[in-house]
Order: sequence, then C-alpha cells, then structure tokens
Amino acid sequence: TQLLEQSPQFLSIQEGENLTVYCNSSSVFSSLQWYRQEPGEGPVLLVTVVTGGEVKKLKRLTFQFGDARKDSSLHITAAQPGDTGLYLCAGFGGSNYKLTFGKGTLLTVNP
Amino acid sequence: SQTIHQWPATLVQPVGSPLSLECTVEGTSNPNLYWYRQAAGRGLQLLFYSIGIDQISSEVPQNLSASRPQDRQFILSSKKLLLSDSGFYLCAWRERQVYNSPLHFGNGTRLTVT
Repeated sequence: TQLLEQSPQFLSIQEGENLTVYCNSSSVFSSLQWYRQEPGEGPVLLVTVVTGGEVKKLKRLTFQFGDARKDSSLHITAAQPGDTGLYLCAGFGGSNYKLTFGKGTLLTVNP
Repeated sequence: SQTIHQWPATLVQPVGSPLSLECTVEGTSNPNLYWYRQAAGRGLQLLFYSIGIDQISSEVPQNLSASRPQDRQFILSSKKLLLSDSGFYLCAWRERQVYNSPLHFGNGTRLTVT
C-alpha cells in the first residue's frame, strides 16, 4: 500500500505570511496532484506534477515535485483569507485507476 | 461541459436502516467512477471504483456495496447501516483514456447514522 504523509496537519497563519505544506512518501509515484477543498464541497484540482524536479506556479502558489518523485511541496506566498481550506495531495502509483490521498493540511488564514 | 450530480446532500438514518446514495455524470462517456469517504474533514478513503458497467472493485471490506447499472450512474448501498458508517461520502469521475487525468468530485453527501 502506497501512503502519502502530509505535514503539518493544521496550520493557522496571519494574512500576508508565507507557508509551505509537504507531502512525503517512501514510494515512487508516476505523478502527484494537489487538491483544495472547502467545507461542504468536494475537492478541486489545483495542479498535476509529473516530472521529477518539476516546478509549477499558479499565481501565489508554487508546487514542486521531488527529483525522486517521492515527495512534493506547496508554497503559498502572501497568504490571503481566501486561501483557507483543506489541501490534499494525491498520487497515482502502480495503478492508473486508483488515486491515493494524503490526510490533508487544514489551512486557516486569519485577516 | 461535464457535470456530476450527487444526492442527497445530507442524510440522517437510524442504525440498521438501508442506504442508497446516487451519483450521475453528464457530458462524458465511459468514465472511471469512484466512491470515497471522508472523516471529519480529513483525508479521503477510497471505497469503490469502477472502470465499466458492472465492473466494481472494492478497496475496503465493510458494510457497503456499490453498483453501476448504467455507464454514468454509480450507486452506493448498504443493507444495514452501522454507527461507523457516518461520514462525508464523495462521488468522483475521471477520464478513462487520459493518463494522470484528475478526479472531478461531486459536492458530497453528509451521512449521520443515529
């Protein structure tokens, strides 16, 4: 069973601060995806990273896939209250059918 | 465009009662379909996935079952609910032929078993 561990589990910061969320595994993943979920809704895809060492930017969000394709990070610059939510990483391992999710990082950005 | 409908949004059921949650997808064909359960706003646990009509794979042995009577319809059922079945149930679809395609989720069903 391939596991994804996310840290920290909870993060509460002030508006304008920077933060980094980590997603780690002992297994190699063919790709990793990051989702954001708001209360009472389903997760929504933010990005997919496929190549080891890949860096993708989405406005103030920067995603990185580790060289060995075992880990990923999400960095948010100048966080805003609208960034509040549950951030989930997920990966395709040996099967293209099953997406394994981490337990998520619950981010709260206070105004 | 593709849409996914999941209902009901909330459900309160007594222990021992049956369950039926339904999910339908529009605007695509031959999707992979998934049922996930989420506890207390945390990670998603894969319950079932389907790559075709009547092709269901179970990930976790439990009190639940799934069926796919039509290409774009996925149903989660139970004959007798347990207290531990409470949670947030999410249906999702993804394109079958596209490698690394993302999951598209419905808005979930909040199930409380009393």
